[in-house]
Amino acid sequence: KAGVTQTPRYLIKTRGQQVTLSCSPISGHRSVSWYQQTPGQGLQFLFEYFSETQRNKGNFPGRFSGRQFSNSRSEMNVSTLELGDSALYLCASSLAVGRLNTEAFFGQGTRLTVV
Amino acid sequence: QKEVEQNSGPLSVPEGAIASLNCTYSDRGSQSFFWYRQYSGKSPELIMSIYSNGDKEDGRFTAQLNKASQYVSLLIRDSQPSDSATYLCAVSGYSTLTFGKGTMLLVSP
Repeated sequence: KAGVTQTPRYLIKTRGQQVTLSCSPISGHRSVSWYQQTPGQGLQFLFEYFSETQRNKGNFPGRFSGRQFSNSRSEMNVSTLELGDSALYLCASSLAVGRLNTEAFFGQGTRLTVV
Repeated sequence: QKEVEQNSGPLSVPEGAIASLNCTYSDRGSQSFFWYRQYSGKSPELIMSIYSNGDKEDGRFTAQLNKASQYVSLLIRDSQPSDSATYLCAVSGYSTLTFGKGTMLLVSP
């Protein structure tokens, strides 16, 4: 059974540009969550999607957005990149959202560097 | 604001010893508790989940949960240098996972 796949693995962008990251969840999983990880802040929740609907959103500016497709694949977009957006972006896949005892599995992450 | 607290470490233990990692959480409604292991430069890997009070053992790992004290712990027996990593505690109820910032474990040969 394939795991969670994130593309690309590494990305270097210039300030002001925008970027789109992709996540394909484990087959059969319908929930995808996105996290930003930086050395100082740890794992910060961005948003969570289930059945193409955003179910929860973290405390990030509107420059961060996402969507989920009918096949459960998800994308997140960051517009007008800032140096502080440099981070490891992680996608987590789970069977459902809002249910107890639902384990989440992470992809390998996308390392974004903004210069 | 749901919070999950962990000692950042590093926690240093010699090879073969028991490593004890602790986590406290603020939301009394939390129902599901997880431990993830993250090697440097890698993504978190789920190693244990626990849902009811008491102990849950899986190989060298034992997770302990005390909901009354809002406390979760992970014991690693016979620690190996390959266990050196950051261990993340995660907690959820009917909503998203909330992570602690992790405890770095260093196992010396």
